Amino acid sequence: AQKITQTQPGMFVQEKEAVTLDCTYDTSDQSYGLFWYKQPSSGEMIFLIYQGSYDEQNATEGRYSLNFQKARKSANLVISASQLGDSAMYFCAMREPRSNDYKLSFGAGTTVTVRA
Amino acid sequence: NAGVTQTPKFQVLKTGQSMTLQCAQDMNHEYMSWYRQDPGMGLRLIHYSVGAGITDQGEVPNGYNVSRSTTEDFPLRLLSAAPSQTSVYFCASSHSSSYNSPLHFGNGTRLTVT
Repeated sequence: AQKITQTQPGMFVQEKEAVTLDCTYDTSDQSYGLFWYKQPSSGEMIFLIYQGSYDEQNATEGRYSLNFQKARKSANLVISASQLGDSAMYFCAMREPRSNDYKLSFGAGTTVTVRA
Repeated sequence: NAGVTQTPKFQVLKTGQSMTLQCAQDMNHEYMSWYRQDPGMGLRLIHYSVGAGITDQGEVPNGYNVSRSTTEDFPLRLLSAAPSQTSVYFCASSHSSSYNSPLHFGNGTRLTVT
């Protein structure tokens, strides 16, 4: 079964507007970590934000915030005041303690294009 | 702070050749790993290490070897390159193997096998 689902293959957003990227996850663990990464066209993978399963507050990092709804198993990324440099692929990922290899399970990604 | 450093950035190999992708981190991270990224397949774990002297297989280990003689270095060896190994390879490390420890990635190596 797919552990991370990102249903939006691509999105367009106007510069200075906010955009929400959807992510749902599937796990039977009570403890887990959720992460968002950015991959610009240059190819590197950049860690953006982390949300722990026990965190009661939504995580924020600058213009990035995570809308965490545990009961719905969703962890949507909100990018506020979009900039042209935000154009990239965005991946949602999860790390589970019962995973024998401690790996990150990634979603398929969402491509964001910011229009001037 | 360099973070995770991968070399080379690009590589072209002929089928059957061998090579080593280098990975070094300067953050004193316990956990290190190698992923490959392919269109439509996402990122898949090749090998990982939870500390110096300890390595184990991930999801797609065939055709690759790793070693971890020091905390800092985690090279990936392609034993006999095949066209199916054409991919983008990422080395990633984290402070620990805990679920709440974010992975930090190198800039990737784009490998083409002809």
